[in-house]
Amino acid sequence: NAGVTQTPKFRVLKTGQSMTLLCAQDMNHEYMYWYRQDPGMGLRLIHYSVGEGTTAKGEVPDGYNVSRLKKQNFLLGLESAAPSQTSVYFCASSLAGTGGYGYTFGSGTRLTVV
Amino acid sequence: SQKIEQNSEALNIQEGKTATLTCNYTNYSPAYLQWYRQDPGRGPVFLLLIRENEKEKRKERLKVTFDTTLKQSLFHITASQPADSATYLCALNAGNNRKLIWGLGTSLAVNP
Repeated sequence: NAGVTQTPKFRVLKTGQSMTLLCAQDMNHEYMYWYRQDPGMGLRLIHYSVGEGTTAKGEVPDGYNVSRLKKQNFLLGLESAAPSQTSVYFCASSLAGTGGYGYTFGSGTRLTVV
Repeated sequence: SQKIEQNSEALNIQEGKTATLTCNYTNYSPAYLQWYRQDPGRGPVFLLLIRENEKEKRKERLKVTFDTTLKQSLFHITASQPADSATYLCALNAGNNRKLIWGLGTSLAVNP
């Protein structure tokens, strides 16, 4: 099993450009999450989904949008990139969202906005 | 305020010794607490989960304890190896069952 696959692995954007990060999981997990990880800030939840067709805001949703049209895919969009969005982005999935199941993470996308 | 704290200073130990990492939390009453390992440039990897009604959980050389009175979890790696060198994160569910709250992690270096 591949687990959670993120694409791309690296990207450099100019301020104001847009892009979409793709996350795919093959474990039939209901819950999927997008995090960003910054030095000294830890993992912060951007958006999450509790099932196909659903999305919800996390703690730092501004400037991002998400979609989950298929159960296995969770897309993160940056509408107009800003230098403050320079970060490492991780997608994760879990069987359920009660905290009683471990999360499976992708390998991350390192995004630089110049 | 609610927070979760892990040792910010890196932990350096000699190969073969037991590493003990601490996770303290305030103002939460988590039902679960989880531990992850993260290597540089990689995503976190789930290691162990412990429930509030469990005092201890083991998996091979790993042991986790959960003291809801002290609001603390300890993560032990026995017979440590250089390959155990990584950052270890703790996370707990925080009332809203759809979210985990994450610590900043503790860096562990096991010296040969």
